[in-house]
Amino acid sequence: QSVLTQPPSVSAAPGQKVTISCSGSSSNIGNNYVSWYQQLPGTAPKLLIYDNNKRPSGIPDRFSGSKSGTSATLGITGLQTGDEADYYCGTWDSSLSAGRYVFGTGTKVTVL
Amino acid sequence: EVQLVQSGAEVKKPGESLKISCKGSGYSFTSYWIGWVRQMPGKGLEWMGIIYPGDSDTRYSPSFQGQVTISADKSISTAYLQWSSLKASDTAMYYCASLGADAFDIWGQGTMVTVSS
Repeated sequence: QSVLTQPPSVSAAPGQKVTISCSGSSSNIGNNYVSWYQQLPGTAPKLLIYDNNKRPSGIPDRFSGSKSGTSATLGITGLQTGDEADYYCGTWDSSLSAGRYVFGTGTKVTVL
Repeated sequence: EVQLVQSGAEVKKPGESLKISCKGSGYSFTSYWIGWVRQMPGKGLEWMGIIYPGDSDTRYSPSFQGQVTISADKSISTAYLQWSSLKASDTAMYYCASLGADAFDIWGQGTMVTVSS
């Protein structure tokens, strides 16, 4: 069971906007950078956002990230059918004696 | 091109041992941590542990400590994940990924491990 909670699914029509929340605590999101990963069906995850709101080279600006307190949000504007995928947040967690990286529960994005 | 290439799919019986690999190229392999991530069928991502190939410093998730061994051979830019005695519950896709700027920025293509009698 993950310490980062995401909604199981979100959906919207093409061209619309969706937001995905990632809720954590002071031992993870509250004191660490958040990343977001996209996993298209049958493929490996891909980094979308790092350091809360930075996009790696090649990631379109339709994807954006933000963080406030112990929660983070991924936004996708101008939704496309190619955006149908599972999305995961991730960050470091220090709640146990040894640090560990944790992923969110994952959110499936459906384009209606 | 910066890439991580993993070894091929494996089918094993319970109790057997296994070592899968992840070879890096196109960058300084010894300068970046390499992590392993498990994804069970139809489930989410789980971080297993991480190794720094430069000195083999290794950290494990408490959930996987003692269950697997992570190692690396910097002379051939390869990281490994191994089991001494597989269980059916180890059936999953396993990904390696390099850690850059606090995030896993380069991912391998994944290795499917199936454990069945």
